[in-house]
Amino acid sequence: NAGVTQTPKFRILKIGQSMTLQCAQDMNHNYMYWYRQDPGMGLKLIYYSVGAGITDKGEVPNGYNVSRSTTEDFPLRLELAAPSQTSVYFCASSYSNEKLFFGSGTQLSVL
Amino acid sequence: GQQVMQIPQYQHVQEGEDFTTYCNSSTTLSNIQWYKQRPGGHPVFLIQLVKSGEVKKQKRLTFQFGEAKKNSSLHITATQTTDVGTYFCAGPGYGGSQGNLIFGKGTKLSVKP
Repeated sequence: NAGVTQTPKFRILKIGQSMTLQCAQDMNHNYMYWYRQDPGMGLKLIYYSVGAGITDKGEVPNGYNVSRSTTEDFPLRLELAAPSQTSVYFCASSYSNEKLFFGSGTQLSVL
Repeated sequence: GQQVMQIPQYQHVQEGEDFTTYCNSSTTLSNIQWYKQRPGGHPVFLIQLVKSGEVKKQKRLTFQFGEAKKNSSLHITATQTTDVGTYFCAGPGYGGSQGNLIFGKGTKLSVKP
């Protein structure tokens, strides 16, 4: 099993550009999450999903969108990138909101 | 909304000293989870506590869940350089609703050999 796979690992965006961060898991987990981690800070929940077709906002959803068309995939979309979105993004999955498995992260810089 | 507070933010210890980090919630938690993140890495699950007053041990690590289920602690005995990293606690948000796991800001542990 690959676990939770995130792509890309690094990305530099210009202000106003759009991009999609990909996340896939092969553990048949129902729950998936997107967190952002600013330097030296904790993890802030952006969006989460409890199953295919179901998504909900977390603590910091503004500027982001998600979709969950399949159990395996949970992409995160940035429509108009802003410097405040410079961060490390972690995708995670779990069977039941317990014992989250995290991907290796995407380091995003918006310049 | 749900808040999970952790103290201290940083802890510097000499190898062999003990270390403790504390986690406090503004509301009662159905469970609390602990994660460790090595420098440059991703968070890795350590343990989950569910019962009031629960104590669990993993080798040199001791985890406690308070009687009121609003606080928790992680204690490391005789720290080693391999313990370096940031320790996070996390609890379900919004009164325990499904899928919403809120993390504390973490305690960054450095160990001097």
